[in-house]
Amino acid sequence: QKEVEQNSGPLSVPEGAIASLNCTYSDRGSQSFFWYRQYSGKSPELIMFIYSNGDKEDGRFTAQLNKASQYVSLLIRDSQPSDSATYLCAVSNTGNQFYFGTGTSLTVIP
Amino acid sequence: DAGITQSPRHKVTETGTPVTLRCHQTENHRYMYWYRQDPGHGLRLIHYSYGVKDTDKGEVSDGYSVSRSKTEDFLLTLESATSSQTSVYFCATLTSGGSTDTQYFGPGTRLTVL
Repeated sequence: QKEVEQNSGPLSVPEGAIASLNCTYSDRGSQSFFWYRQYSGKSPELIMFIYSNGDKEDGRFTAQLNKASQYVSLLIRDSQPSDSATYLCAVSNTGNQFYFGTGTSLTVIP
Repeated sequence: DAGITQSPRHKVTETGTPVTLRCHQTENHRYMYWYRQDPGHGLRLIHYSYGVKDTDKGEVSDGYSVSRSKTEDFLLTLESATSSQTSVYFCATLTSGGSTDTQYFGPGTRLTVL
């Protein structure tokens, strides 16, 4: 069983703060790691991906990967109310199969 | 936007009836996937396809079948719908190129089995 674990939350942060979302995975053969954002009633949309250890920044978003600890995180700087959504962590292997966590619900309080 | 459409977007059906959901993509992607999403379970893979007539099972394939006769279309059939198949169904395709392959999702189909 390839497991991807996320804290379901809800996570609440004030507007302008940093939101930190965490994910662990069980399969050491995982190759690539993804963060999706899903608004209520909508489909998941890709925020960013990472495949090398370290940090990757894209605007207000930073993904962090530590393969030794089997841990990936997403930091959202200067959080906005529009960031309120469920964030899904996903991992993929060489077989092009993706495994998703159950998601963390984030609320940004104005 | 990977040019993915799903039909129907909403469907209510009765237990025991067959149901077919359609996923259509315009980007000529080789890989296509069907997921279901339920509270507390996240996205779970039902079936996927890696080419025309090439399909394989995912973790929750019981009670579902798929077909892919054309690159652009991937059909999911519930052979005899049950209330446990009430869910939101998402289709996805795999975009290749760049540094990694990435999945993009269709808008989803909300299915209710009474």
